[in-house]
Amino acid sequence: AQSVTQPDIHITVSEGASLELRCNYSYGATPYLFWYVQSPGQGLQLLLKYFSGDTLVQGIKGFEAEFKRSQSSFNLRKPSVHWSDAAEYFCAVGEVVGTYKYIFGTGTRLKVLA
Amino acid sequence: NAGVTQTPKFRVLKTGQSMTLLCAQDMNHEYMYWYRQDPGMGLRLIHYSVGEGTTAKGEVPDGYNVSRLKKQNFLLGLESAAPSQTSVYFCASTGQYNEQFFGPGTRLTVL
Repeated sequence: AQSVTQPDIHITVSEGASLELRCNYSYGATPYLFWYVQSPGQGLQLLLKYFSGDTLVQGIKGFEAEFKRSQSSFNLRKPSVHWSDAAEYFCAVGEVVGTYKYIFGTGTRLKVLA
Repeated sequence: NAGVTQTPKFRVLKTGQSMTLLCAQDMNHEYMYWYRQDPGMGLRLIHYSVGEGTTAKGEVPDGYNVSRLKKQNFLLGLESAAPSQTSVYFCASTGQYNEQFFGPGTRLTVL
C-alpha cells in the first residue's frame, strides 16, 4: 500500500539558514511526487512535482527537491529561508495511472526565527 | 479563472443535522476529490470522482455521501452530522499534469 512519511512534525530555523524537510514514501512503482505548502487558514499550494527524468526538480519560491529512488525519499530544500516561508509543508505521492489517488504525509510545520 | 471554489467557508451544525458542501471548478478537470484535514493527520481522502456521474470511496468515507451530476461540481453531503466530523474540508481537482488544485477549505464545527 502507498504511504508517505514526514518524520519531522515541527522544524525551527533562523531566517537566512538553509532548510531541508524530509519525505519518505512507499510505492510499488515510480510515483508522482509532490510538495505542497499551506499557510494558516489557506488551502494547499503546489510547490513542485516530480514525474520522471531529472531527479532534482525546481519549484516556486526558491524551493527544490531531489528524488532518490534508492532511499525512497523526496526531500525538500531551500538554501536560505525567509520569514514568509513559515507554513506547513506536505509531501504527497500520487498514483501514476488508474484512479489518480493521492496520499499525503502528516505535514511538517516550519517556524522561522527572525 | 476562479480555480476551485468551495461554499460555505464556515458552518456550525448541531449533532444530527444535515448539510451539503459545494465544490466547483472551472478548469474542465475530470478528477475531483474531497479531503478532510485534522491536526496531526494530514489530509485524508473521503470520496473522489474520475468523471461526471462517477464517484468512489476514499480512505474515510463513512458518514459522507457525494454526487457529481455536473463535471464542474462535486457535492459532499453529511446526512446526520456527528462531532467526529468537525474538521476542515478541502476540495481538489486534478489538472493536466496530475497536480492537484485545492479550494480554500470549509471549516465545519459539529456541536
